[in-house]
Amino acid sequence: GQNIDQPTEMTATEGAIVQINCTYQTSGFNGLFWYQQHAGEAPTFLSYNVLDGLEEKGRFSSFLSRSKGYSYLLLKELQMKDSASYLCAVRDSNYQLIWGAGTKLIIKP
Amino acid sequence: DGGITQSPKYLFRKEGQNVTLSCEQNLNHDAMYWYRQDPGQGLRLIYYSQIVNDFQKGDIAEGYSVSREKKESFPLTVTSAQKNPTAFYLCASSIQLADYNEQFFGPGTRLTVL
Repeated sequence: GQNIDQPTEMTATEGAIVQINCTYQTSGFNGLFWYQQHAGEAPTFLSYNVLDGLEEKGRFSSFLSRSKGYSYLLLKELQMKDSASYLCAVRDSNYQLIWGAGTKLIIKP
Repeated sequence: DGGITQSPKYLFRKEGQNVTLSCEQNLNHDAMYWYRQDPGQGLRLIYYSQIVNDFQKGDIAEGYSVSREKKESFPLTVTSAQKNPTAFYLCASSIQLADYNEQFFGPGTRLTVL
C-alpha cells in the first residue's frame, strides 16, 4: 500500500528553527509537496520538490532524497503565525496526491 | 481576484438527507478535485475531473456523486448512502491533472449530519 509518515505534533520556540520530517512509500513518484494549513482553513502551497536536494524559499526550505523516500521542511526564524499543520503529499504514478496526516506545529513565545 | 469558492462554510443536515456542496473556480483550471479531511488522517480523494463532462472515482467515492457540466463548477452530492458523512470537505483545482503544478484549495465546507 501507499503510505506517508509525519510526526503528529511538534513544539518549537519563537525565533528558533524546526525541521518536520516526511517519509513515504508510494507506487511511483512524480514530486513531493508541502502545504500549510491553519485550523479550519484551506491548505496553502509551500513548496515542491521533484529532484534530490534543497529548495529554499525565504524562511522555508524543503529537502528531498528520492532514494531514501524522505523529505523535510525546514522553518527558520519561527513566528507565532507559523503555528499550523504542515501537510506532506506525494504525487504517485497516476498523478494523484497521497497525503500524510499532517504535523501540528505549536510555537511558544 | 482568481480563486476557488465553496459554500456554505458550515452545513447541518439530518441523517438520511442528501446534500450538495458547491465548488466554483475562476482560475481557468481544467482539473478539479474533492477531498475529505477527518481528524488525524490525511486528505482522502473522493472524486476528480480532468475535463468538462468527465470525472473519475477516487479512493472513497462510495456514497458520493459529482457532476462537471461547466469548467468552473464541480458540485459534490453527499447521499444518504454515505455511512459517516460528517467531515470537512475541500475542493481543489489545478491547471491540469498530469502536470507539476500545485493544487489550489477552496476554504472548505464543514458538514455535520445530526
